[in-house]
Parts: sequence; structure tokens; C-alpha cells
Amino acid sequence: EDKVVQSPLSLVVHEGDTVTLNCSYEVTNFRSLLWYKQEKKAPTFLFMLTSSGIEKKSGRLSSILDKKELFSILNITATQTGDSAIYLCAVADGNKLVFGAGTILRVKS
Amino acid sequence: DAGVTQSPTHLIKTRGQHVTLRCSPISGHKSVSWYQQVLGQGPQFIFQYYEKEERGRGNFPDRFSARQFPNYSSELNVNALLLGDSALYLCASSSGLRLEGKNEQFFGPGTRLTVL
Repeated sequence: EDKVVQSPLSLVVHEGDTVTLNCSYEVTNFRSLLWYKQEKKAPTFLFMLTSSGIEKKSGRLSSILDKKELFSILNITATQTGDSAIYLCAVADGNKLVFGAGTILRVKS
Repeated sequence: DAGVTQSPTHLIKTRGQHVTLRCSPISGHKSVSWYQQVLGQGPQFIFQYYEKEERGRGNFPDRFSARQFPNYSSELNVNALLLGDSALYLCASSSGLRLEGKNEQFFGPGTRLTVL
């Protein structure tokens, strides 16, 4: 059965800290790995990763995929209170997304 | 350009009732997928419709059904509601069938269903 596991489940940090969120997967028909940020309702897209070892960056956020070891990390540097959210990792398995349970990040001022 | 829209925003039903949730995809998108997100968990895939045909189904009972209309909007129907059906129901649209390359899924704001 397809599985996506995220760690840690929750995290509390102070503004300015750097955080690393982890995602491992076992998916039969891997197409890509995606990261989403979910604040209140709709998950909003952050990154799509398809190739190993190529870092994607957007401002203070970056992510990388290791297809040999079947994991990805999402880094957030210089965290701000606005980064507080649930971060979801998903793997595109053919025509559907398989999600992990998410990491709840809380950034304290 | 409008994103994915869903209605209603919130819904309260009692056990045994039936519910219909609606979704309009981004203009030009032909694929609509439905996900259920129970509190504390990630979204779980329910259905995908592409060009008005069911192209994928997750591990949900037959009480869940869906359809897609000629304008690519979609409805999710749930019969004989159970307490465990309480969740955020998310609709996502994409331009193509397969989630690869530039073919991302964009999520709507969701419908919060509470079953009492």
C-alpha cells in the first residue's frame, strides 16, 4: 500500500530559527513529490520535485528530493510567525496525490 | 481568473442523511479530484473525474459517488451519512489526467461537513 510519512508531527520554534521538515515515501507509481502549506482550508502549492538532488528555492523556503533513499526535506530559514501552518507532503501516484499526515509548525514571536 | 470554487462552505447534517457537495474547476481544466481530510490527517483521495468519466477511485464505500458535468464542474454525493464522514472535503482541478510535468493540482477552499 502506498505510504507517505512525515516527521516531526509537530514543531514549535522561535522567530528566526531554521526548521527542517522530513518526508519519506513508498509509492508504486511515483511521478513527483509535492509540498503544500495549509493554513485554514485549501492547501497552497509550494514545490513540485521530480529529479533527485536538484534544490528548489522560493525565498526562505527550499526543498530537495532523494529518489534513491525515497525522501524529501523542506527547509525554512529565518522563520516568521506567518510560517505557522500545517505542511503537507504528497506524492503524485499516477493520477492521484497520496498525502502524509502533515507537520504542524508553530512559530512563536 | 477565478480559482477552484466549492459550495457550500459549511454544512451540518445528521446521521443517515444525504449530502451533495459542488465544485467548479479552474477555467480550462478538465480533471477534478475529490479528497477527504479528517481532522489531524492529510487529505485522502476519493475520486478523479476526467472528461466526464471516472478515472480513479480511492478506498471509500459505495455511499460515496460523484459525477462530472459537460462544463467540467463536479458533484460529490454521500449517502447514509455517518459520524465518521465529518471532515473537510477538498476539490482539486488540473488540466490533464496525469499529475506530472507542469500538470499541477490546484485546491479549492473546501467544504466543512459536520455530521451530528
